[in-house]
Amino acid sequence: GDSVTQTEGLVTLTKGLPVMLNCTYQTTYSPFLFWYVQHLNEAPKLLLKSSTDNKRTEHQGFYATLHKSSSSFHLQKSSVQLSDSALYFCALSASGSWQLIFGSGTQLTVMP
Amino acid sequence: NAGVIQTPRHKVTGKGQEATLWCEPISGHSAVFWYRQTIVQGLEFLTYFRNQAPIDDSGMPKERFSAQMPNQSHSTLKIQSTQPQDSAVYLCASSLDLGRAETLYFGSGTRLTVL
Repeated sequence: GDSVTQTEGLVTLTKGLPVMLNCTYQTTYSPFLFWYVQHLNEAPKLLLKSSTDNKRTEHQGFYATLHKSSSSFHLQKSSVQLSDSALYFCALSASGSWQLIFGSGTQLTVMP
Repeated sequence: NAGVIQTPRHKVTGKGQEATLWCEPISGHSAVFWYRQTIVQGLEFLTYFRNQAPIDDSGMPKERFSAQMPNQSHSTLKIQSTQPQDSAVYLCASSLDLGRAETLYFGSGTRLTVL
């Protein structure tokens, strides 16, 4: 079945450093990938999404490129800020059920 | 636009009691989803509706969980005979329509604690 894997459960970084949060997926269908961000005690919100192979998608300083050859959609930012501390979910829409399948999430903590 | 509204924000029940969670989707959105969030399991799909009709409830524990959407302005998730393992944040989301590119707009969730 379809699945999403986020290998890091917790990432802690100092402000100003670059970050990459890993996301790989598995599906036999054509994939549509999403990144959602959830700040503490808030609702998850869409950060960015893509279905185009090898095209970089950017929003609010974050960017990701869907690579179908490696089934990956890693989230990156060149310089993290304190306000980026949040839970980040990668999600996959693939099969015909319209069900969005979420990864286990990566908690990003940015230190001063 | 107030976004997706979920009530109550917090609910505490005793083991064996019933819990009803409410969701008001964004006006004009035809699809409504329910997810359960725990630290261990992450975000788990429960069920969704389109134009008030149930489409897929494959994630619902069959015996004690039920969801309804009696009108386009609200959906309910009912848990009968609550158990401690039902403790979680229950998230409702809506989208403009069903489609693979559609963005889900989540509510802030209801935190259910079963003692």
